[in-house]
Amino acid sequence: GENVEQHPSTLSVQEGDSAVIKCTYSDSASNYFPWYKQELGKGPQLIIDIRSNVGEKKDQRIAVTLNKTAKHFSLHITETQPEDSAVYFCAASASGSARQLTFGSGTQLTVLP
Amino acid sequence: ETGVTQSPTHLIKTRGQQVTLRCSSQSGHNTVSWYQQALGQGPQFIFQYYREEENGRGNFPPRFSGLQFPNYSSELNVNALELDDSALYLCASSSAESTGELFFGEGSRLTVL
Repeated sequence: GENVEQHPSTLSVQEGDSAVIKCTYSDSASNYFPWYKQELGKGPQLIIDIRSNVGEKKDQRIAVTLNKTAKHFSLHITETQPEDSAVYFCAASASGSARQLTFGSGTQLTVLP
Repeated sequence: ETGVTQSPTHLIKTRGQQVTLRCSSQSGHNTVSWYQQALGQGPQFIFQYYREEENGRGNFPPRFSGLQFPNYSSELNVNALELDDSALYLCASSSAESTGELFFGEGSRLTVL
């Protein structure tokens, strides 16, 4: 089955700096890659996703890049703010949608004021 | 628009007991997925229900079972509880006819003693 590895497990940045989180996946059939943000005591919330027919996607301060050949994808957050502090999860699915997601182990992002 | 709601929010059981967790899907959603999230880990896919039928299952034993009702709400049942079943159980709803984005509830925190 699919295996998703996520790095780093913890990341601290100064407010205004950029943060990058990286994931690799094992199943070449995976074609849908969402990123979720989980705040303390809450369920994960989708922040951005990308499908395998696209190499990059951007939404304001958040961007995701996908390298299908290397089987890795990354989340980039620019101009970080304290409210960006949370646990971020990458995930992958071979269904083309959010069906049967395999999640990474998460990155605790702390934005220092 | 009502979001995904789960009950109970917290519960404590002893080893060998049985538990039922409940989930009301977001308005307009016809698909429900269940995930197990151990402390410090990413969510793991248990199973998904669509039109009251199981529509995909992760690597979980048969003592994990579920139901989906005509109003699209769902139950997760776990028999013969083990200590390792202690986790946050997340329900997520989606629409099979849309992009498939998952909307998560806040979870049910199960502790098995």
